[in-house]
Amino acid sequence: AQTVTQSQPEMSVQEAETVTLSCTYDTSENNYYLFWYKQPPSRQMILVIRQEAYKQQNATENRFSVNFQKAAKSFSLKISDSQLGDTAMYFCAFINNNAGNMLTFGGGTRLMVKP
Amino acid sequence: DVKVTQSSRYLVKRTGEKVFLECVQDMDHENMFWYRQDPGLGLRLIYFSYDVKMKEKGDIPEGYSVSREKKERFSLILESASTNQTSMYLCASIDLYSNQPQHFGDGTRLSIL
Repeated sequence: AQTVTQSQPEMSVQEAETVTLSCTYDTSENNYYLFWYKQPPSRQMILVIRQEAYKQQNATENRFSVNFQKAAKSFSLKISDSQLGDTAMYFCAFINNNAGNMLTFGGGTRLMVKP
Repeated sequence: DVKVTQSSRYLVKRTGEKVFLECVQDMDHENMFWYRQDPGLGLRLIYFSYDVKMKEKGDIPEGYSVSREKKERFSLILESASTNQTSMYLCASIDLYSNQPQHFGDGTRLSIL
């Protein structure tokens, strides 16, 4: 079975500073995808960034970047120049690239950006 | 614009009622999922489907069933609602090979009295 663990239930950061959210996962598969989602109070799930396991280069989307360590099964999210609108729940998720694949989520990290 | 639509944003039902939550996607995706979201527990997978009439149990299927008669519609059924099924329910639709691989509905906040 695959599992996703987010060890930080809550975090806070000052506006304009950098914060890193951690995520570890467990799988026996070699071909998979990892994702970070943002869920603001409006509760719509928004895909922030994704990483294919076969790619060595870390994914980047504007102020969001990941540190993907495949051997360590670690997938952290770095938010640079934090903005008030980044305040949200953040979920790490994993899916195998197989038929009948399950999308598994971590427990989430509540991020508060302070002015 | 692609879309996943959940039939209700808020729903209140009584213990013992049979409850249907509907989810419709317009992207021709094969994979669809139902999750419940509870504070401190993240999103837990109830059931998923990778094709019409195909269904697989997730992590917490007890007390639920699903139906996928057409590709675009994935229904979650609470056979006999109980108060511990009060939760937020999220539907998702996935195609790993598209640029926007996942789409979620807006969620249904279900209260069982």
